[in-house]
Amino acid sequence: DGGITQSPKYLFRKEGQNVTLSCEQNLNHDAMYWYRQDPGQGLRLIYYSQIVNDFQKGDIAEGYSVSREKKESFPLTVTSAQKNPTAFYLCASRGLTSGGETQYFGPGTRLLVL
Amino acid sequence: QKEVEQNSGPLSVPEGAIASLNCTYSDRVSQSFFWYRQYSGKSPELIMSIYSNGDKEDGRFTAQLNKASQYVSLLIRDSQPSDSATYLCAVDSSYKLIFGSGTRLLVRP
Repeated sequence: DGGITQSPKYLFRKEGQNVTLSCEQNLNHDAMYWYRQDPGQGLRLIYYSQIVNDFQKGDIAEGYSVSREKKESFPLTVTSAQKNPTAFYLCASRGLTSGGETQYFGPGTRLLVL
Repeated sequence: QKEVEQNSGPLSVPEGAIASLNCTYSDRVSQSFFWYRQYSGKSPELIMSIYSNGDKEDGRFTAQLNKASQYVSLLIRDSQPSDSATYLCAVDSSYKLIFGSGTRLLVRP
């Protein structure tokens, strides 16, 4: 069953704590992305990776970090430097289909601050 | 800053009508365009992609692209209450998708 998985579905962060969101894909896609969505807002790009061991900052990278050690995995760490982390976090991967390059999303992780 | 603009809505249509959703973009070199549907509390689901000028049909959905005017639209024929959702337009820009803020569609029974 091919697709993108994210865990956990809900995550609670305490003040000053770093938390890591998991994203795994078995679509054999090279490119992976992390977005943040706030209530009633569009998607904002945090980080993206087009190939293993390489990644670039998106529009709102401050307070976040990523790694890409394996093609299948692109974890996102929300650090204590991110002062307003409450949001819906979406991971996506992008690959070539019969129609062209296409991007698919995982189910998302909702992060809440205690 | 490259942008994608959508009317936030809500766009309200009666069941069975055609819903027309529009999107404009600023990056003239964009080659790939996407429509995603997002139900409340869920992740975006890809419903249409279009790569060349003209119309592309898939079931009740038709995507229309006009690169010269820099707009892309989505028509939903025979709208159903289950189509009520937020529709996100996305435009490819240097291997990243730039998203509009979405149009909320309400289909009245």
